[in-house]
Amino acid sequence: EAGVAQSPRYKIIEKRQSVAFWCNPISGHATLYWYQQILGQGPKLLIQFQNNGVVDDSQLPKDRFSAERLKGVDSTLKIQPAKLEDSAVYLCASSFQGAKFFGPGTRLTVL
Amino acid sequence: AQTVTQSQPEMSVQEAETVTLSCTYDTSESDYYLFWYKQPPSRQMILVIRQEAYKQQNATENRFSVNFQKAAKSFSLKISDSQLGDAAMYFCAYRRGGNQFYFGTGTSLTVIP
Repeated sequence: EAGVAQSPRYKIIEKRQSVAFWCNPISGHATLYWYQQILGQGPKLLIQFQNNGVVDDSQLPKDRFSAERLKGVDSTLKIQPAKLEDSAVYLCASSFQGAKFFGPGTRLTVL
Repeated sequence: AQTVTQSQPEMSVQEAETVTLSCTYDTSESDYYLFWYKQPPSRQMILVIRQEAYKQQNATENRFSVNFQKAAKSFSLKISDSQLGDAAMYFCAYRRGGNQFYFGTGTSLTVIP
């Protein structure tokens, strides 16, 4: 079974630039999550989708972060403009019947 | 509010020995799930084991087992016969209805040859 796909795996940008990450969940998984994991910390939920609807975006910094899942399948997470403190690994995950599966993550470095 | 606490930032174990990682959580729910995830240096989160709160029997997956104490809100992970490949960050996670997950801060496990 194919896992959760994410791209790119690594991204380096300068502050104030924009960046977008892509996630393709496991086929058939209705729930999709974006997490931010800063080095040395546990993942922090940014946004949770159920199909193409947002279930929880309470911790998403909406002034600069946005996410969409228009067709209820793949999703993009955008940061515009990026700040130094956005440097982290961005993990995408999907779940089905209680089990959550993570993608490899995108490591973002903001200079 | 739901919180997950892992009080051991770092643990080490000799190869082939047993180690227990601690996790406590706070919830007012009666129906929920608990998970342990492993995150090796590659950063990919891997599900190790999960426990449904309504089940009294502790979950077991090969060398991994849990000690689930619902009244105490404790969910520890025991790794038996530790192997070098077990070295990783281990995250305890709580899920309530609606698929909302809450993670602990993680425990870094070192396996000493």
